[in-house]
Amino acid sequence: GAVVSQHPSWVICKSGTSVKIECRSLDFQATTMFWYRQFPKQSLMLMATSNEGSKATYEQGVEKDKFLINHASLTLSTLTVTSAHPEDSSFYICSAREGIVLQETQYFGPGTRLLVL
Amino acid sequence: GESVGLHLPTLSVQEGDNSIINCAYSNSASDYFIWYKQESGKGPQFIIDIRSNMDKRQGQRVTVLLNKTVKHLSLQIAATQPGDSAVYFCAENFSGYSTLTFGKGTMLLVSP
Repeated sequence: GAVVSQHPSWVICKSGTSVKIECRSLDFQATTMFWYRQFPKQSLMLMATSNEGSKATYEQGVEKDKFLINHASLTLSTLTVTSAHPEDSSFYICSAREGIVLQETQYFGPGTRLLVL
Repeated sequence: GESVGLHLPTLSVQEGDNSIINCAYSNSASDYFIWYKQESGKGPQFIIDIRSNMDKRQGQRVTVLLNKTVKHLSLQIAATQPGDSAVYFCAENFSGYSTLTFGKGTMLLVSP
């Protein structure tokens, strides 16, 4: 099956620093990638949708200047949390979709746990 | 709309029992539904999906039932095993909109 990887799997940083998380589709080309955030004992909350070569579409309430998303190739999307603060500590999960058909299955990465001190 | 809860409902079963996990979805226009399994500290894993032109679909040890009249989805796991312990999420999607909306999740605990 389709495999999506994320790097790093966990990161601890100081408040005010920026953190970059990578999401890669390993055996397929992802026309669309999604970034989610998940707090403990809660569901996945979609942050943004990124299509290769175009600007990401952010969900309401998600600051695009704080969560920078780049989808420069069909196999790589990055999420940069700029000037991270403790409230940004969360589990960040990406997913990737191969086809352009709207209901093509999304495959999820293993997640990145971010802890901001 | 989205349904996000701060407290995960929990279903506790014995190994070998059949488990039924329920999900109420919110958008009557949704026509594609997916069940995901999420183990602690990992990303969601696809289990099974169903389109709105069906009311039942079976996989290996899992069955998904869809009742569009009451906007209800269920996941049945046969002969539940300890390895099935995880949080299960339903997700919905409707044609013309590319994103998934996740339900609040149910934690399944399987004791040996």
